[in-house]
Amino acid sequence: GENVEQHPSTLSVQEGDSAVIKCTYSDSASNYFPWYKQELGKGPQLIIDIRSNVGEKKDQRIAVTLNKTAKHFSLHITETQPEDSAVYFCAASIGSGGSYIPTFGRGTSLIVHP
Amino acid sequence: GAVVSQHPSRVICKSGTSVKIECRSLDFQATTMFWYRQFPKQSLMLMATSNEGSKATYEQGVEKDKFLINHASLTLSTLTVTSAHPEDSSFYICSARVGGREGYTFGSGTRLTVV
Repeated sequence: GENVEQHPSTLSVQEGDSAVIKCTYSDSASNYFPWYKQELGKGPQLIIDIRSNVGEKKDQRIAVTLNKTAKHFSLHITETQPEDSAVYFCAASIGSGGSYIPTFGRGTSLIVHP
Repeated sequence: GAVVSQHPSRVICKSGTSVKIECRSLDFQATTMFWYRQFPKQSLMLMATSNEGSKATYEQGVEKDKFLINHASLTLSTLTVTSAHPEDSSFYICSARVGGREGYTFGSGTRLTVV
């Protein structure tokens, strides 16, 4: 099955700095890569996603890049703010049969210091 | 759109009792819902897939008789933790997907504490 590795496990930055979280996946058939943000005591929320036919996608301060050859994808947050502090999960999924059931990475705890 | 409502958000129960957690899709129909368990500072572990009108599919190592899943309608799935023990204490989260979309929407989670 799919295996998703995520690094780092903890990331501490100063407000205004950029933050980068990296993930790798093992199954070359994976074709959909969502990123989720989980605040303390809440369920994960989808913040951005990318499909395998796209190399980069941006939404305001967040962007995701995908390198299919290397089976690597990353989340980039610019101009970080304290409210960006949360746990971020990457995931990889295969759209066979329309399921897209995600396999999650282990999560990155992002701490943005004011 | 695509809101998944989960209740209760917190529950404390005594060992040996059962607890029911509800997961509702508010503005869409979900023939399939998913139940996850999350330990502190850990990732989400898929427990089972809930199928409307049929039996749930459990992941390897998840006890069917311990975690009863019922998906009686297109908008409601329930997870019942039977004869709960302290080791069942965890954060339980449900999710569903709107047909035609790839991303899953998650409920707000239920913190279960068994004392």
